[in-house]
Amino acid sequence: GENVEQHPSTLSVQEGDSAVIKCTYSDSASNYFPWYKQELGKGPQLIIDIRSNVGEKKDQRIAVTLNKTAKHFSLHITETQPEDSAVYFCAASMPGNQFYFGTGTSLTVIP
Amino acid sequence: DTAVSQTPKYLVTQMGNDKSIKCEQNLGHDTMYWYKQDSKKFLKIMFSYNNKELIINETVPNRFSPKSPDKAHLNLHINSLELGDSAVYFCASSQRTGVDEQYFGPGTRLTVT
Repeated sequence: GENVEQHPSTLSVQEGDSAVIKCTYSDSASNYFPWYKQELGKGPQLIIDIRSNVGEKKDQRIAVTLNKTAKHFSLHITETQPEDSAVYFCAASMPGNQFYFGTGTSLTVIP
Repeated sequence: DTAVSQTPKYLVTQMGNDKSIKCEQNLGHDTMYWYKQDSKKFLKIMFSYNNKELIINETVPNRFSPKSPDKAHLNLHINSLELGDSAVYFCASSQRTGVDEQYFGPGTRLTVT
């Protein structure tokens, strides 16, 4: 089955700096890559996703890049704010299959 | 309006008891899931139902039994609770499996003493 690795497990940045979280996957058939943000005491919530026919996608301060050849994808958060502090999960999947989640990155933005 | 709701939010019980967690989604989705999140925050898929049919059943003790009375509901019943069952359980739903966003419920924190 698919194996998703996520790094780093913890990340601390100063407010206003950028944060980058990286994931790799093993199954070249995976074609959907969502990113979820989980705030304390809440369920994960989708913040951005990308499909394999696209190399990059942006939504305001958040961007995701995908390198299908190398089988890795990354989340970029610019101009970080304290409310960006949360646990972030990447995932990989394909039609009819489950989401394979990474192990999570705990992001702390220091004011 | 809550898209995916779970009850109860907190559940404290003793070893050996039987308990249920209920999940309902009002999004009209065809697929529903149960996840377990342990203390290290790892999200592990337990079950997935599509149109009331079980499609994913990961390696989960058979003390866990999901039941889907209709497309909008997926309940989780746990028999003979053990200390290791303590975790946060999330219900989720999506329109299609593997290609659409999954919407997560707020979670149920289960503590077995």
